[in-house]
Amino acid sequence: SQQGEEDPQALSIQEGENATMNCSYKTSINNLQWYRQNSGRGLVHLILIRSNEREKHSGRLRVTLDTSKKSSSLLITASRAADTASYFCATDGGATGANSKLTFGKGITLSVRP
Amino acid sequence: DAGITQSPRHKVTETGTPVTLRCHQTENHRYMYWYRQDPGHGLRLIHYSYGVKDTDKGEVSDGYSVSRSKTEDFLLTLESATSSQTSVYFCAIRTSGEGSPLHFGNGTRLTVT
Repeated sequence: SQQGEEDPQALSIQEGENATMNCSYKTSINNLQWYRQNSGRGLVHLILIRSNEREKHSGRLRVTLDTSKKSSSLLITASRAADTASYFCATDGGATGANSKLTFGKGITLSVRP
Repeated sequence: DAGITQSPRHKVTETGTPVTLRCHQTENHRYMYWYRQDPGHGLRLIHYSYGVKDTDKGEVSDGYSVSRSKTEDFLLTLESATSSQTSVYFCAIRTSGEGSPLHFGNGTRLTVT
C-alpha cells in the first residue's frame, strides 16, 4: 500500500510562478524525501528532510514537514519550463538493516508553461 | 552518476515466457532495490537486497524472483510473464547508510503480449 499520497495529481502553472506540491503519509517516519522524474528517465533525488526538522531549503526548493499532521510540502519558486516533470515523495520508516527501504507516493505531474 | 546500468532498456515478450532483467552497479553498494512503475500506482517495491545472497520481498513480489550472487549484479526474473507484468521496471541503489536517498537506473520498459 502507498505510504505517501501527493496532492494535487497534476499541476499546470506559468513560468515564473511558484509551484506547491503536498504529500501526506500514514505512519511514523524517519525522514521524507522528494524526487523528480523526467519523461523516460529514472527518479532523481531532490531533497531529504528528517523527522526532527521542520523546513529545509536547497536552491529554489523549499520543503516543510509537519509530523503532527503527517504532511510535507515541496515549493519550487520562480518555476522554469525545465521544471516540467513528475515529482514524488517517499517516506523512510526508520527500519534498520535489512528492512531499510523507501515507500513512494503516486506522483504529481507538473507542467510549466513558457 | 551512481553507475547503475539496467539491461535491456526495452523488451517485448510473450505471455508465459521467462524474462530476466539485470541491474548492474559499479560501486559495490550493499542495498539494491527493484521497483515497478505503473500509471495510477506510482512506484511499488518488488524485491530488495541487503547483500550477496540476502534478499527479501517487497509489496508486489508475487510472480517475481531475484538473485544476487555478486555485489554488483541484482537480477529480477519473471518466471512466467503475464500481461499484468507489463510495466517499467526500475533498479535503485542506496549509496550511503540506512535512510539515505536512492539512486535510480533509467529503467526497463517491459511489454508482455
